[in-house]
Parts: sequence; structure tokens; C-alpha cells
Amino acid sequence: ETGVTQSPTHLIKTRGQQVTLRCSSQSGHNTVSWYQQALGQGPQFIFQYYREEENGRGNFPPRFSGLQFPNYSSELNVNALELDDSALYLCASSLAAGIKTQYFGPGTRLLVL
Amino acid sequence: DQQVKQNSPSLSVQEGRISILNCDYTNSMFDYFLWYKKYPAEGPTFLISISSIKDKNEDGRFTVFLNKSAKHLSLHIVPSQPGDSAVYFCAASPLNYGGSQGNLIFGKGTKLSVKP
Repeated sequence: ETGVTQSPTHLIKTRGQQVTLRCSSQSGHNTVSWYQQALGQGPQFIFQYYREEENGRGNFPPRFSGLQFPNYSSELNVNALELDDSALYLCASSLAAGIKTQYFGPGTRLLVL
Repeated sequence: DQQVKQNSPSLSVQEGRISILNCDYTNSMFDYFLWYKKYPAEGPTFLISISSIKDKNEDGRFTVFLNKSAKHLSLHIVPSQPGDSAVYFCAASPLNYGGSQGNLIFGKGTKLSVKP
């Protein structure tokens, strides 16, 4: 059984640029959630996708957007990067939208200069 | 305002003894609670969970206790091993409502060090 994978592992961008992060969910999982983890904090919910539709959203501005594909892989896009966007971005998958246990990938470390 | 609080940033325990990690929450609408372990440069690993209809759940060396009246849960690790040294996150899931479905709300974590 393949776990959650994310790419790239690290990324450096400059303020104002755009970034796309990618995630492949665990085999058999159709629901993907994205989280942002700042240094010294717990992960913070960005949004969740289920069957290619956004299924819930946290307190993040519209410049954070996502996609889910028919194979349940997912992308997180962030436009107009700000310095405070520097963080670890975590993708988590779950068996279905109503299943509360989520399994996390290793994350993408984003640094915005 | 933090809805899930882990008030101890760190905990040090001797190998073989019990580790007790604590978590408090404020929202009575939480109906499911989870513990995750995180090593540096890795994503959080799911450890154990508990539904609000239970007060205890065990899995091997790990036991989670839930006290709903006190809005408090704890993770017990017995016996503690050096490989348990990691940051432990408590997370809570609210009853699904509105546009925040799928949301896990995390505490800030407790760094556990198990000394040989």
C-alpha cells in the first residue's frame, strides 16, 4: 500500500511569485486535505477536496486554491506569495469525506524571500 | 483563540517509565480526537484516536483517555522507549457543519524526549 507522497520536498520562491505543490493520496483514499504548518505551531487547515470538489475551507484567502484530479491526486496553488507564506505544507488523505482519520505526507517546505 | 491546547511544550521521561501527554479543548462540538507523532523532516504519523462516545481507547503501548466534562484528553505511553522521542500533536474534529468540513484542529504540540 502506497502512502501519501508530496512534491517537491523543498522550494524557494520570491515574494509575488506563484507556486504549485503536488500530492498523491494513499491508495484507495478519495479525499485530500491541505494544511499549513508554521514554525512552532500545529498544522492549520486550508481546505479539503472530495470527488474533485472543494468540500470545506479554513480561514485562508482566495489566493490559496486547489484542484483534485480523477485519480484523487491534488494540487495546492498559492498566488502572490507573501513572506508569511513560508511554512511546511502538508497534504493528508482519508478513505472518504466522512472518515475523520487523516494520513499525512512528508510535506513541502516553502521558503518565500 | 486556541480551541485545542497543549500546555506543555516539552516533556522528558526515563526509558521504561510512563509518558503522559495532555491536551485541553474548548469547543464542546468536537466529536472525535486524534493523536499524531511527528519526527523532524517527516509528516505527522497517526497514532490513535477516540470518539466522544468513549472514554478510553487502547492500542498496544498507547492509551488515550477522554474526560468530556473536563474537556481534557491524555495520551499514555507505557513503557516509553527512546524511539518514542518526537513531537506529539493532539487534534480534534468538529461535527461537520458549514464550509469547514474535514477540518482537523491541532494543538501546538509537545516535544517528548525519552532518555535511555
